[in-house]
This record gives sequence, structure tokens and C-alpha cells, in this order.
Amino acid sequence: NAGVTQTPKFQVLKTGQSMTLQCAQDMNHNSMYWYRQDPGMGLRLIYYSASEGTTDKGEVPNGYNVSRLNKREFSLRLESAAPSQTSVYFCASSEFGTGSVHFGDGTRLSIL
Amino acid sequence: GQQLNQSPQSMFIQEGEDVSMNCTSSSIFNTWLWYKQDPGEGPVLLIALYKAGELTSNGRLTAQFGITRKDSFLNISASIPSDVGIYFCAGRRANTGANSKLTFGKGITLSVRP
Repeated sequence: NAGVTQTPKFQVLKTGQSMTLQCAQDMNHNSMYWYRQDPGMGLRLIYYSASEGTTDKGEVPNGYNVSRLNKREFSLRLESAAPSQTSVYFCASSEFGTGSVHFGDGTRLSIL
Repeated sequence: GQQLNQSPQSMFIQEGEDVSMNCTSSSIFNTWLWYKQDPGEGPVLLIALYKAGELTSNGRLTAQFGITRKDSFLNISASIPSDVGIYFCAGRRANTGANSKLTFGKGITLSVRP
């Protein structure tokens, strides 16, 4: 009964380092999403994948890349981390055509 | 991007009290969702609404899809300490495709005094 699993849960990086956040879902959902959450800003969409093989930019895509590896997995990459990317990152998934989105427990990323 | 409006940012209530939150937009939505986020965890879906005027309950929680399709309300009755958390509304805009992205409000942090 895992749902959406994110790894790692915590990470500290130095400015300029690269990092890939991993996400996997076991609900056979078609769509997957990456959000970032910052104090007072709510949840902002970084990238999403409506179905396997497709990815699209969300509200705040700059500085990030994504890969939809297969139906289960959707990774988020920071090529050159910046302090402004310090945030809590959430992966989520949903069934195509329905409203509800299911979230993982987040990755807390600090960039020094 | 289009934001949903939730205010105030924080609410403080006494244990046992009822509390209501609303979420408004200038656009029409065809789906409204309410989420709760506990500290250190991801948001968890509380209630989903798919039809204008729909009223749905989940235990002590009741949510309504506004008739105008531009707002939604969440009510928590007889609050308890574990109701503490951040409550987000989210919606899918009408006429943007079956798999359109969710828009989120900024959330309301609820504190419950014992």
C-alpha cells in the first residue's frame, strides 16, 4: 500500500552540484507531477507528465529537468543547484481524467 | 498562473468549535478538491467534488461545490487537536481538457487550542 514513494527524504547540496530526485507510484496512474512547496507560496507545479512518454512545463520549470522513465517512475533533476531551489519537493500522481491527485511524503532539499 | 484564493492564512480555534474555510476564484472550475497536510508529510485528499451544488461529507468534514462553480467551502465540526494542519483547496478549471492540471490555493494553517 505504498502509493507514491519519493527518495531521498532529505538532502543537502552545495551550490552548483547536481541531483536527481526519484519518484515511483504503484497505483497504475497515467499522470505524474512534481511540485515545490515554499512558505506562504502553496504548491507550485514544476513539471508534469500527462502520460508515459510526454512531459510538459508547469508554473516554475526553470532550473529543472524531468524524465518519465516508464509508467511508474518520474524523476526530477537539478543540473546546477542554486540556493533559490531550497524547498520541499512533492511528487504526485493521478488517474487520467479524474480529479484527485495523490502525493508522496516529500523530499526536503537544502542548497547551501 | 491562476491561483485559488484562500484566506486568512492562519486560523486559531478552540477544541470543540466548528470552523469553515472557503476557496474562491474568478474562473469556473469543474472539480474541487480539499487536502490536509500534516507537518512533515505530503497533502492527503479529504474530499473531492465533481458537480455544482454537490455537498459531500467525510466524518466531521463537509465540503460543498459552489453553485457558481467559482467557489467551494469546507466545514470541520467539533474540532479536535489532530485537526491541526494546513488545509489546501485545489481545482481543475472547466474547458481545459480531461487531464488538465490542478490549481492550488496557498493553504490555511489551522491551530486548535485544547
